[in-house]
Amino acid sequence: DAMVIQNPRYQVTQFGKPVTLSCSQTLNHNVMYWYQQKSSQAPKLLFHYYDKDFNNEADTPDNFQSRRPNTSFCFLDIRSPGLGDAAMYLCATSRDPDRGAYNEQFFGPGTRLTVL
Amino acid sequence: AQSVSQHNHHVILSEAASLELGCNYSYGGTVNLFWYVQYPGQHLQLLLKYFSGDPLVRGIKGFEAEFIKSKFSFNLRKPSVQWSDTAEYFCAVNAHSGGSNYKLTFGKGTLLTVNP
Repeated sequence: DAMVIQNPRYQVTQFGKPVTLSCSQTLNHNVMYWYQQKSSQAPKLLFHYYDKDFNNEADTPDNFQSRRPNTSFCFLDIRSPGLGDAAMYLCATSRDPDRGAYNEQFFGPGTRLTVL
Repeated sequence: AQSVSQHNHHVILSEAASLELGCNYSYGGTVNLFWYVQYPGQHLQLLLKYFSGDPLVRGIKGFEAEFIKSKFSFNLRKPSVQWSDTAEYFCAVNAHSGGSNYKLTFGKGTLLTVNP
């Protein structure tokens, strides 16, 4: 089945220790997104890639970076995690919304990040 | 900037009760509207979507939603809920803002608990 896969499902890191979260997709979608979701809050878009073009949200901290080496994979790098970065991180994909009438996004299961 | 409001944080119903979850958005232009559902321990899944045409849309599992443009609303309904509908429900809006059609703005979610 075509899907969005995130690894690991649970990640524990120490304060200040860099961490990388992984997302892969078999949908062959142009666009990949990273969201941060804290408890009882809405998913918040951090950035997205349209093919290799990176688009950062204005309020995304510099501590968060992303890489997309190919169509299938996208990584979220947190350079120096703080306690406030503990959250669920969601990866999503979509086809190019400019070619269709709507932007339906397909989500992975998320990675829950704990910062000690 | 667009925003999405979900009025109820937590709704508790008995099986067979009718459900209506409110969603309002703030954006005056063309929008696409979505309801996503997140069952316990699972990823966000699309429940239904509206992008044009009939403002009453039907989704999976007996859910429907009505787009009322004059009220900037997209409320989710189900005539008779089941225990298996226990989940968190997120309303989301994709505004065609000219600059980017990629961004989904989510509401904070409504947790639905259905008691058997």
